[in-house]
Amino acid sequence: DVVMTQSPLSLPVALGQPASISCRSSQSLVFSDGNTYLNWFQQRPGQSPRRLIYQVSNRDSGVPDRFSGSGSGPDFTLKISRVEAEDVGVYYCMQGSHWPWTFGQGTKVEIK
Amino acid sequence: EVQLVESGGGLVQPGGSLRLTCAASGFTFSSYPIHWVRQAPGKGLESVSAISGSGTSTYYANSVKGRFTISRDNSKNTLYLQMGSLRAEDMAVYFCSREGTPGSYDYWGQGTLVTVSS
Repeated sequence: DVVMTQSPLSLPVALGQPASISCRSSQSLVFSDGNTYLNWFQQRPGQSPRRLIYQVSNRDSGVPDRFSGSGSGPDFTLKISRVEAEDVGVYYCMQGSHWPWTFGQGTKVEIK
Repeated sequence: EVQLVESGGGLVQPGGSLRLTCAASGFTFSSYPIHWVRQAPGKGLESVSAISGSGTSTYYANSVKGRFTISRDNSKNTLYLQMGSLRAEDMAVYFCSREGTPGSYDYWGQGTLVTVSS
């Protein structure tokens, strides 16, 4: 299975400050169609996961533009330009290029 | 509005069986692969199983292969997960998720809790 390694696992951030989460894959995530199926999900406390980013850098509808995704294999990054209180939660990267799809361990973002 | 609603979770003894159901609405169900993803208490996310839109192709994580069976009834807009030989490590919230774009989940249900305990 492809191993997705996130860092850091805990990220205290002051309101209004930037935050950055890294994700590294153990194998290339380039699919046979040429696309890279690397996603980012947010899971707020007590809620289901919500997709923020798909195919490395495509932001979902309704996701604030302070969230951005970047990178190319094996290293990918989710950035929050200015953290707001509603951003508290756990963030997961996930690869959908190889079955079974696999997630990173999760990064817990909290307000400092 | 896309909705996925799981049900069927509950308490089951080790070695027992349970069937989960995911009722879908707000989209053309047969056009999309649907997945089961689970989350053990306080832990991360794990892909469990997937099924193509037609139901002809199925996929399983090694941890559940031979014990779980995924199926769907497109006439009822419903997804199923038949779980057997349940173990303590299967205890988790089980989410159904739509593969709305290749290699990704765009919608998730609220989840249903499976507790495996004697």
